[in-house]
Amino acid sequence: AQSVSQHNHHVILSEAASLELGCNYSYGGTVNLFWYVQYPGQHLQLLLKYFSGDPLVKGIKGFEAEFIKSKFSFNLRKPSVQWSDTAEYFCAVNPLNTGNQFYFGTGTSLTVIP
Amino acid sequence: EPEVTQTPSHQVTQMGQEVILRCVPISNHLYFYWYRQILGQKVEFLVSFYNNEISEKSEIFDDQFSVERPDGSNFTLKIRSTKLEDSAMYFCASEGGDYGYTFGSGTRLTVV
Repeated sequence: AQSVSQHNHHVILSEAASLELGCNYSYGGTVNLFWYVQYPGQHLQLLLKYFSGDPLVKGIKGFEAEFIKSKFSFNLRKPSVQWSDTAEYFCAVNPLNTGNQFYFGTGTSLTVIP
Repeated sequence: EPEVTQTPSHQVTQMGQEVILRCVPISNHLYFYWYRQILGQKVEFLVSFYNNEISEKSEIFDDQFSVERPDGSNFTLKIRSTKLEDSAMYFCASEGGDYGYTFGSGTRLTVV
């Protein structure tokens, strides 16, 4: 069965620190990859997505992610976090041969301390 | 920016009661989805809907669940006889065919 693993369940950083959140998936075929953010009390918002091409994808709010096919990974990065980045971050995978269904990771809770 | 609207934001219901969760997808989107997130767990796929019929459903989506697009704008999820374990945040999403999922803000269902 397809699975998406986010190994960091809760991350606490000080402002201006660099961020990297891990995401690994188990599906061996072609996939589309996504990172979503959920701010407290709000809905899931798309941060960035990868379909094909340059494996380094830039998203909103200074986030980027790198697809490494050999490692089945799609890690999220930000060079300098802000207090307003405090949120839950979800990695999601859409295997192309399984229709439009998304598989989500369990999420990583990020707390940024001012 | 277009939004997916869900109502109510929070619903409390007694075990065994029927609930209907409502969603208004983005008007020109063609694909509609329900996902749920049990507290502390990952977001799970329930069902997808296209061309007025279910296109995919998960194991979670058993006979107690149904979806409907009654009037061309609303997209509803009905749980016929709620159980305690149905307590979760339910997210509606719509998509226009470009893998641009837009999620609603969710309905928190509490079954007591």
